[in-house]
Amino acid sequence: ETAVFQTPNYHVTQVGNEVSFNCKQTLGHDTMYWYKQDSKKLLKIMFSYNNKQLIVNETVPRRFSPQSSDKAHLNLRIKSVEPEDSAVYLCASSPTDWINQDTQYFGPGTRLLVL
Amino acid sequence: QQQVRQSPQSLTVWEGGTTVLTCSYEDSTFNYFPWYQQFPGEGPALLISILSVSDKKEDGRFTTFFNKREKKLSLHIIDSQPGDSATYFCAASENAYKVIFGKGTHLHVLP
Repeated sequence: ETAVFQTPNYHVTQVGNEVSFNCKQTLGHDTMYWYKQDSKKLLKIMFSYNNKQLIVNETVPRRFSPQSSDKAHLNLRIKSVEPEDSAVYLCASSPTDWINQDTQYFGPGTRLLVL
Repeated sequence: QQQVRQSPQSLTVWEGGTTVLTCSYEDSTFNYFPWYQQFPGEGPALLISILSVSDKKEDGRFTTFFNKREKKLSLHIIDSQPGDSATYFCAASENAYKVIFGKGTHLHVLP
């Protein structure tokens, strides 16, 4: 049963455009994440949010900006996309004390293709 | 250094065989090691996990072993099935906010 929802599933755009991806979780978790998965399946964390506060901001380009309205929603905006941004963007959520209780739950991902 | 090395990159086994995936790490602060399974078009899903205080955890056909001294872990899949064909990731974490993933192993189980 899907509990982490992402929209859109797929997005094609041209270099220089702005895109936004949405993520919603219905698990009641207070921590959410954005990961980037490239064509070789490499998974790298981009951002981590706990109760709407940014916890981890990995060295991603400044054109990427996460936005959270509440602990159930975490969006990702990319200003002026570039070809190397083509990837699958995965949203995940977890309880804060997930190591002893639970784990990260991933959404199905948003596949971005930059032409 | 926060890095997780995973091998092999790709693996093909016959149905009914045993699959063994391995990972190693360097950062001694890691204390939680999950394994994720990912099918095409889907996000990763937790398969099995182990804490650094344990050396073995079993769940059906899946067993993960952990060696703290050598900083190594492995995933064993017995009686491998074609439905097990997927990409498997090992990961390591010391807190809830940052998980380091290995590069993944593409497993193909042939009938």
